[in-house]
Amino acid sequence: DTAVSQTPKYLVTQMGNDKSIKCEQNLGHDTMYWYKQDSKKFLKIMFSYNNKELIINETVPNRFSPKSPDKAHLNLHINSLELGDSAVYFCASSPLPGGAGYNEQFFGPGTRLTVL
Amino acid sequence: GEDVEQSLFLSVREGDSSVINCTYTDSSSTYLYWYKQEPGAGLQLLTYIFSNMDMKQDQRLTVLLNKKDKHLSLRIADTQTGDSAIYFCAESIFSGGYNKLIFGAGTRLAVHP
Repeated sequence: DTAVSQTPKYLVTQMGNDKSIKCEQNLGHDTMYWYKQDSKKFLKIMFSYNNKELIINETVPNRFSPKSPDKAHLNLHINSLELGDSAVYFCASSPLPGGAGYNEQFFGPGTRLTVL
Repeated sequence: GEDVEQSLFLSVREGDSSVINCTYTDSSSTYLYWYKQEPGAGLQLLTYIFSNMDMKQDQRLTVLLNKKDKHLSLRIADTQTGDSAIYFCAESIFSGGYNKLIFGAGTRLAVHP
């Protein structure tokens, strides 16, 4: 059973297109995240949702719009794709939104987005 | 500020110990984590340490924390080829009522025979 799954695994598209990446977790967690990993492997948080509500919104262009239809799903829609959007996008989930306590995050396998 | 720094590469011989170092900036971080990323895969939690501890041992893994210097290290004893991966240090930041992880750039560990 896959805990955190993402589709598609690979996405190749032209500049200017709009695309979506989907994420699902079957762990019963309340909190989900999107991260971007660039070509140098630097991993940075983009968004976090807790029970369908946006709780973390880092400095991300508004071309990126997350949507959480229910607490098991968090999708990422990207408008007007640019070359610099090429990266691996990871979804993650955790049982809690945090507080100062221990909060393990479980990661999906990633979606490699290539913008030509 | 929010910044976690790691050296980018480490090469060791099979059977030797590996030590991966990390420095972080937020002295209020209560938990610090080590994640492992194998090629083509997502990150998996390897181990963590609570900020009031200075050492944690878990089988071949030893985590050392120097809170004064904001320095964290991961020691892997008897390193095996299966340990080849990228290792990420992460600090937890409590901001706006919620917890987020700030990751370092990752240390690529190469294990050779």
